[in-house]
Amino acid sequence: GENVEQHPSTLSVQEGDSAVIKCTYSDSASNYFPWYKQELGKGPQLIIDIRSNVGEKKDQRIAVTLNKTAKHFSLHITETQPEDSAVYFCAAIREDSSYKLIFGSGTRLLVRP
Amino acid sequence: KAGVTQTPRYLIKTRGQQVTLSCSPISGHRSVSWYQQTPGQGLQFLFEYFSETQRNKGNFPGRFSGRQFSNSRSEMNVSTLELGDSALYLCASSSGQAVSNEQFFGPGTRLTVL
Repeated sequence: GENVEQHPSTLSVQEGDSAVIKCTYSDSASNYFPWYKQELGKGPQLIIDIRSNVGEKKDQRIAVTLNKTAKHFSLHITETQPEDSAVYFCAAIREDSSYKLIFGSGTRLLVRP
Repeated sequence: KAGVTQTPRYLIKTRGQQVTLSCSPISGHRSVSWYQQTPGQGLQFLFEYFSETQRNKGNFPGRFSGRQFSNSRSEMNVSTLELGDSALYLCASSSGQAVSNEQFFGPGTRLTVL
């Protein structure tokens, strides 16, 4: 079955710096890759997603890139702010309509003021 | 548009008891998925319902069951609770028309089994 690996597990950056979180997936049939942000005491919040027919997508300070050949995708946050501090999860889902999100293990991002 | 709501937010039960959790999806969404989140295992898929039918099921024992009503609200039941069932249970709402439709999560129900 699908397996998603996420790195790093923790990331500490200075406010204003960029943060990059990387994920790799095993199943070449996966075609949709969302990213979620989870703050303490809350459910995961969808922040950006990318489909397999697109190589890059950007939304203000957040961008995601996808390399289908290498089976990896990355989240890029620029000009980080303290409110970006949270746990970030990548996920993947298959083409076969399983509706089953396979999540990475999460990255705890700390943005130091 | 109101988001996904889950009730109750917190539950404390003892081993051997059973529990029912409820999820109301975003208005117009017909798919509800359930996930278990624990520090050790992360986020794991339990099952997904669409138009009152279970479409997919994860690798959990039969003690975990669910259902969906005609108004798309869903309930999840865990019988004969074990200590290891302590977790945050999340439901996600989607239109369910395509695999790549966005899934939006509720705040979760924190279940503690003593």
